[in-house]
Amino acid sequence: GQSLEQPSEVTAVEGAIVQINCTYQTSGFYGLSWYQQHDGGAPTFLSYNALDGLEETGRFSSFLSRSDSYGYLLLQELQMKDSASYFCAVRDGTDKLIFGTGTRLQVFP
Amino acid sequence: EAQVTQNPRYLITVTGKKLTVTCSQNMNHEYMSWYRQDPGLGLRQIYYSMNVEVTDKGDVPEGYKVSRKEKRNFPLILESPSPNQTSLYFCASSLTHLAKNIQYFGAGTRLSVL
Repeated sequence: GQSLEQPSEVTAVEGAIVQINCTYQTSGFYGLSWYQQHDGGAPTFLSYNALDGLEETGRFSSFLSRSDSYGYLLLQELQMKDSASYFCAVRDGTDKLIFGTGTRLQVFP
Repeated sequence: EAQVTQNPRYLITVTGKKLTVTCSQNMNHEYMSWYRQDPGLGLRQIYYSMNVEVTDKGDVPEGYKVSRKEKRNFPLILESPSPNQTSLYFCASSLTHLAKNIQYFGAGTRLSVL
């Protein structure tokens, strides 16, 4: 079957760096995306990797290794407002976008 | 402002009473989709539409209907709601189906079916 695995929860302190991993098992692959969702809010798009390597957008970076079926989201200089759930999503060979179950990030002062 | 608008935001209803959740986007996007979000299960796709008059089932379509008569609107219809449809629903859109990795979500509709 198809699956995306990410840790259920991660904690860190303000100013720190945190990495949220995502491993996927899908039939076909057309890119890995990351979304942020605050409690009670809508998912918002953060980053997208179609090819191997690192994509940087401000404090957030995303990495992809297609040979390892693995990616991660890197959050630097953590702020309290980064406390949220983070979802990875893969567009598979059937052209569906499959979401992981999410990683809850708690940032402490 | 570019956005996806869902209504209502909150809805409490009873089993069997037909309801419609509206979704509208002002970005001229071709691709629209409905998801439900349940604790521990992430986002699961209900139905999607690649363009006007083109709709297809997602992973959990049972008990739902959709229509796409206009590009901007994609309503979700529950003909006979049941308690297992109590959930948080999101409408989303992307420029085209090829760009579905980048989707814009509405604020969500929290539905309770008693």
